[in-house]
Amino acid sequence: SQKIEQNSEALNIQEGKTATLTCNYTNYSPAYLQWYRQDPGRGPVFLLLIRENEKEKRKERLKVTFDTTLKQSLFHITASQPADSATYLCALAGDTGRRALTFGSGTRLQVQP
Amino acid sequence: DAGVIQSPRHEVTEMGQEVTLRCKPISGHDYLFWYRQTMMRGLELLIYFNNNVPIDDSGMPEDRFSAKMPNASFSTLKIQPSEPRDSAVYFCASRAAGGLNEKLFFGSGTQLSVL
Repeated sequence: SQKIEQNSEALNIQEGKTATLTCNYTNYSPAYLQWYRQDPGRGPVFLLLIRENEKEKRKERLKVTFDTTLKQSLFHITASQPADSATYLCALAGDTGRRALTFGSGTRLQVQP
Repeated sequence: DAGVIQSPRHEVTEMGQEVTLRCKPISGHDYLFWYRQTMMRGLELLIYFNNNVPIDDSGMPEDRFSAKMPNASFSTLKIQPSEPRDSAVYFCASRAAGGLNEKLFFGSGTQLSVL
C-alpha cells in the first residue's frame, strides 16, 4: 500500500541551528512533492514544491531535496528561529491523473531560544 | 482575495444530529478538496471536485457523509447522523488548474465536536 512517513517524534533544536526533517514514501511515483507548514488552530500553508527532475530547491532559509531513488525528501531550515516552530507536512500526489494530495502525518519542530 | 473561507469555525453538536460545514473557495480556482484531520489519522482526503463535479469520493467514510458543490463559489459537507467518532477538524482547500499551480490553499478549518 502507499505510505508517506514522517518522523512523529518532535524535533527540538536550538535557535540558529539547521533543522532537518525527513519525508519517506513507498509505492508512489510522484511527479512532485510539496511541503507545508501548519500552526496550531490553522490550516496548512504551502511552502515549497519540488519536481521529480529537480534535486534541490531553495527559498530564503528553506531548502528541499528530492531523491526519487531513495524515495525520500529532506526539508532544511537554516539559521532556525523560534518563529519557525510549527508542524511541517510533506505531501504528494498519487498516481498519474489523481490530482489530490496525500499528506504525511507531519513533524513538529520546536526551536528553543 | 480573502482566501478560502469556512464556516462555522467551531461546531458542537449531539450524536444523531445533522451537521453542515460550508466552504467558499478562492475565486477562479477549479479544484476544491475536503480533508479531515485527527491526531490518530492525520490529514485525510475525503472528496474533491473539479469544476464543481465530484471526481474522487473514495475517502468519504460512509453513507452518513455527503458533499455537494452547487456552483463554483460554494461547497458543503454534510454529516447525517453525526457520531462522536466524527469529531475532528475539517478543512476545505482549493487550487487553480494544473501546470505550476499545484499548491493548495487551505481554509482555517471547522472544529467539530460530536457529544
